[in-house]
Amino acid sequence: DTAVSQTPKYLVTQMGNDKSIKCEQNLGHDTMYWYKQDSKKFLKIMFSYNNKELIINETVPNRFSPKSPDKAHLNLHINSLELGDSAVYFCASRRQGFSEAFFGQGTRLTVV
Amino acid sequence: QKEVEQNSGPLSVPEGAIASLNCTYSDRGSQSFFWYRQYSGKSPELIMSIYSNGDKEDGRFTAQLNKASQYVSLLIRDSQPSDSATYLCAALPLISNFGNEKLTFGTGTRLTIIP
Repeated sequence: DTAVSQTPKYLVTQMGNDKSIKCEQNLGHDTMYWYKQDSKKFLKIMFSYNNKELIINETVPNRFSPKSPDKAHLNLHINSLELGDSAVYFCASRRQGFSEAFFGQGTRLTVV
Repeated sequence: QKEVEQNSGPLSVPEGAIASLNCTYSDRGSQSFFWYRQYSGKSPELIMSIYSNGDKEDGRFTAQLNKASQYVSLLIRDSQPSDSATYLCAALPLISNFGNEKLTFGTGTRLTIIP
């Protein structure tokens, strides 16, 4: 009954590959986010979607492409992976008009 | 200048003492503030939210907000070893119905409670 779930939890891949991370929330929230957390624990917002519509795009390279097939799902596809993409990626959701954000368990991406 | 800044730590506090974590923000339009706790290898979990100037207490935790000074703090009384974690401060602009609220995090403060 996980509220916000991400898959996979771990992802190890070679430079140049393409990979996807999936996120699903069963909380009925309207807004979903992707955050990147670096080794220093800084959580940087990448994208947010509201009811399937892209709202925030924080000048993330075009190699990153989010997709929201419905308001319960937000996936992240990354093309041509680079060493600097290694980080933990968190999906989060919150209800529009309410404040709390709930996080998925994170996906630790390692590019070698 | 980052939008939300925290004292980077690490911060070490003896067990039973008060841990004080500080956060400043640059966007005067910020209306809602949150403290998240993140254990190593885990996801952030919300522990406190505050929306009005003053103090808000929840068990051993007290959040303090001063909008004039653009300052938020978290006090942990009677610190326990289980409080050892990274604490993340976050700020949210005025809640709207457009779903475009940008929840912005600080860099986090690593807290260690020493038995």
